[in-house]
Amino acid sequence: AQSVSQHNHHVILSEAASLELGCNYSYGGTVNLFWYVQYPGQHLQLLLKYFSGDPLVKGIKGFEAEFIKSKFSFNLRKPSVQWSDTAEYFCAVNAPGSGGYQKVTFGTGTKLQVIP
Amino acid sequence: DVKVTQSSRYLVKRTGEKVFLECVQDMDHENMFWYRQDPGLGLRLIYFSYDVKMKEKGDIPEGYSVSREKKERFSLILESASTNQTSMYLCASTKGPPSGANVLTFGAGSRLTVL
Repeated sequence: AQSVSQHNHHVILSEAASLELGCNYSYGGTVNLFWYVQYPGQHLQLLLKYFSGDPLVKGIKGFEAEFIKSKFSFNLRKPSVQWSDTAEYFCAVNAPGSGGYQKVTFGTGTKLQVIP
Repeated sequence: DVKVTQSSRYLVKRTGEKVFLECVQDMDHENMFWYRQDPGLGLRLIYFSYDVKMKEKGDIPEGYSVSREKKERFSLILESASTNQTSMYLCASTKGPPSGANVLTFGAGSRLTVL
C-alpha cells in the first residue's frame, strides 16, 4: 500500500522568506501527485497537481512543485511567502488500490505560519 | 463551481448514539468519499463509493457504515458513537472513472464531538 511522508509538521517563516515543504511517497508504479491547501476556516482545495509531462508544475498563488521520480519526492516551493499563505498543506498520492480503483492517500500535513 | 455540502458543521453526541452525517454534491459527480481529519494524522479514508448503492472500505472503516441511495448523496453512519470517533469528517467528490486520476472537491467538514 502506498504511503506519504511530510517531514515538516509545523513551519514558521517571516514574510518574503522562501518556502520548501518536503513530500515523499512509497509506491513504485505510476502515480499522480497533488498538493492541497486548507486556509483557516476554509475548505480543502487543490493547490497543484502532477499527472504527466514536465515534472515542474505550477499552481495557484505562485506555488510550484517538482516531481523527482528517482527520489519518490514531490516537494512544494514558493520563492517568497506572504502572510496570506498561512495554512495547512497536504501532499497526496493517487495510485491504484485494490479492485482497480484509484486511491488517494494523504500525508499528515504541514502547518505553515507566516509572520508579517 | 462544484459544491459539496455537508449538512451539519458541528455536532455533539453522546457515547452509544447513532449518528448520521450527510453529504450532497450538485455537479453529477460519480465518486464520493468520506475522510476523517485528525491533528498530526492528516486525512484518512473511511469509505468511498463509485456508483449508487456501491461502497468500498477505505483504510479505517471500523465503526462506520455508509449509504448511497442516490448519486448526489453519500451518508456516513456511526452505529454507536464512541469518544475515539471525535473528529473532523470531510466529504469529497470527483468526476470521472474510478480508475482515473481525479481531483477531489471537498465539503466544509463536520466537526463531531462524542461525549
